[in-house]
Amino acid sequence: AQSVAQPEDQVNVAEGNPLTVKCTYSVSGNPYLFWYVQYPNRGLQFLLKYITGDNLVKGSYGFEAEFNKSQTSFHLKKPSALVSDSALYFCAVRDMNNNAGNMLTFGGGTRLMVKP
Amino acid sequence: DAGITQSPRHKVTETGTPVTLRCHQTENHRYMYWYRQDPGHGLRLIHYSYGVKDTDKGEVSDGYSVSRSKTEDFLLTLESATSSQTSVYFCAISERLAGEGEQFFGPGTRLTVL
Repeated sequence: AQSVAQPEDQVNVAEGNPLTVKCTYSVSGNPYLFWYVQYPNRGLQFLLKYITGDNLVKGSYGFEAEFNKSQTSFHLKKPSALVSDSALYFCAVRDMNNNAGNMLTFGGGTRLMVKP
Repeated sequence: DAGITQSPRHKVTETGTPVTLRCHQTENHRYMYWYRQDPGHGLRLIHYSYGVKDTDKGEVSDGYSVSRSKTEDFLLTLESATSSQTSVYFCAISERLAGEGEQFFGPGTRLTVL
């Protein structure tokens, strides 16, 4: 079975400081990994994905994520946080070798609060 | 929200009544999904569709049924609503299978079952 964990319910960071939102996953094969962001009263928006290739993935709005196979992690990062980055962030995984279904499994979400 | 609309956006109903939520897309994407979002659980897949009249169950399908008679419409039905189905429901679409490409989400429907 595939699973994903976001160990922090909330991350607080000051504007201009670097931010990290953590994600770890568990799959039997190789993973497809995604980050999505949700602003209040909106649906989720795609930020970035890792399928294969370079372990550092760059996405929308200056976000990037680093795939670490040995630590089974896919942490979301941004060098300098903006107040407008405050939102709910979801990590998602799909096991490439999962033939039992075509589903993404989402983490519980991490609320990012960026203070001026 | 990428050419996806959901209706209604808000609904309050009583236990035991049937409820149908509609998702409509203008992107002509093949795959459509229904998720529910609950605090601490992230999003959980209810059902998905991989073409007209082709649907399959997700992680939390009990108590829900779906239908897709046209490419652009995907309906989610709660045959007899229960309080445990109080949630925010999101429709999503994708050109490729989940996990092979990004999904695009609708604005959500907030359902309250009293």
